[in-house]
Amino acid sequence: GQNIDQPTEMTATEGAIVQINCTYQTSGFNGLFWYQQHAGEAPTFLSYNVLDGLEEKGRFSSFLSRSKGYSYLLLKELQMKDSASYLCAVRDSNYQLIWGAGTKLIIKP
Amino acid sequence: DTEVTQTPKHLVMGMTNKKSLKCEQHMGHRAMYWYKQKAKKPPELMFVYSYEKLSINESVPSRFSPECPNSSLLNLHLHALQPEDSALYLCASSRVDTQYFGPGTRLTVL
Repeated sequence: GQNIDQPTEMTATEGAIVQINCTYQTSGFNGLFWYQQHAGEAPTFLSYNVLDGLEEKGRFSSFLSRSKGYSYLLLKELQMKDSASYLCAVRDSNYQLIWGAGTKLIIKP
Repeated sequence: DTEVTQTPKHLVMGMTNKKSLKCEQHMGHRAMYWYKQKAKKPPELMFVYSYEKLSINESVPSRFSPECPNSSLLNLHLHALQPEDSALYLCASSRVDTQYFGPGTRLTVL
């Protein structure tokens, strides 16, 4: 079967760094995506990894290890507006997105 | 520009009503998607259109009927819905890799 695991909820402090992990087992792999979703709003694209390594984009970075079926999203210099759900999604051999359940990130002052 | 627009933002309908959701993108994307999302759950894929042809129908009940009039527009026709169909309906489009989502339509079925 296809499975994507990420923590249900995490809490971090404003100004700190947080790492959200994602492990996956899918039939084939054609890239991994991270999306941010604020409550009641649509998912917003954050990052895309298809090769191993780290992709950096401002305060956000995403890492991929295909051999380990593992990715993480790193958020630096946390701001209150970063409070949201973060969704990990893997594109499988049929080029369909398999979604994790999402990690709710709570930022405290 | 990565904008996908959806109308209406909110929709309340009875179980005997017929309504339509609309989605539009002008990015030249050739794949368009309908998703359904319940609270605290990830999006569930409903339909995929590729080059204006329906390529994937994820066993969605016939009370949901998609239509792709042209490469920029995607509709979802609703008829005889059930209260459990109440959800956020998201449209997305993609060129090759990344799917970009519209703001969604919050649907309530009474």
